[in-house]
Amino acid sequence: DGGITQSPKYLFRKEGQNVTLSCEQNLNHDAMYWYRQDPGQGLRLIYYSQIVNDFQKGDIAEGYSVSREKKESFPLTVTSAQKNPTAFYLCASSIRAGLKGYTFGSGTRLTVV
Amino acid sequence: GQNIDQPTEMTATEGAIVQINCTYQTSGFNGLFWYQQHAGEAPTFLSYNVLDGLEEKGRFSSFLSRSKGYSYLLLKELQMKDSASYLCAVKTNAGKSTFGDGTTLTVKP
Repeated sequence: DGGITQSPKYLFRKEGQNVTLSCEQNLNHDAMYWYRQDPGQGLRLIYYSQIVNDFQKGDIAEGYSVSREKKESFPLTVTSAQKNPTAFYLCASSIRAGLKGYTFGSGTRLTVV
Repeated sequence: GQNIDQPTEMTATEGAIVQINCTYQTSGFNGLFWYQQHAGEAPTFLSYNVLDGLEEKGRFSSFLSRSKGYSYLLLKELQMKDSASYLCAVKTNAGKSTFGDGTTLTVKP
């Protein structure tokens, strides 16, 4: 069955360390997205990519970086420059037309101690 | 920029009907989505409206008025499992979606 996989589900890191969150999809979707969700809040867009080797900043890109070297993969790196990285991170994908919305991964809960 | 407003919380009784409203201000509107999110889980797609009117899908319906910047999600015959957050998201011509903060619905027996 096709789907979108995020790993790991829970991640703990020390303050000042960079960490990379994995996102892989086998849905043959062109577009992929990273969102951050804080408790009691909606999703805020970090980065998105409409096509391989191209990506754009979202609303809260500072302190994050991404790459899109393969259609299936869109890893997110949380750098030490991100001032408040503890959050629930959601990866999503969609077809270009996007008529059925996003398919989300199960999320990664990052805690920085 | 974009601005999306939804009520923070709603409570309803099992078997009843509830309407969750969403108002938005955006440029380059290209559709509105509703998602359901249970606590600690990822959102799942419920509905998509791009033209004015009502879209019905089983117990759930979604309405859109583009001229008023307004949508609602209607849930009928509420069940306990419908207790969740409901997220309104507006898609723009740039291909990305902006989400509201969500409405937490509690269904009581």
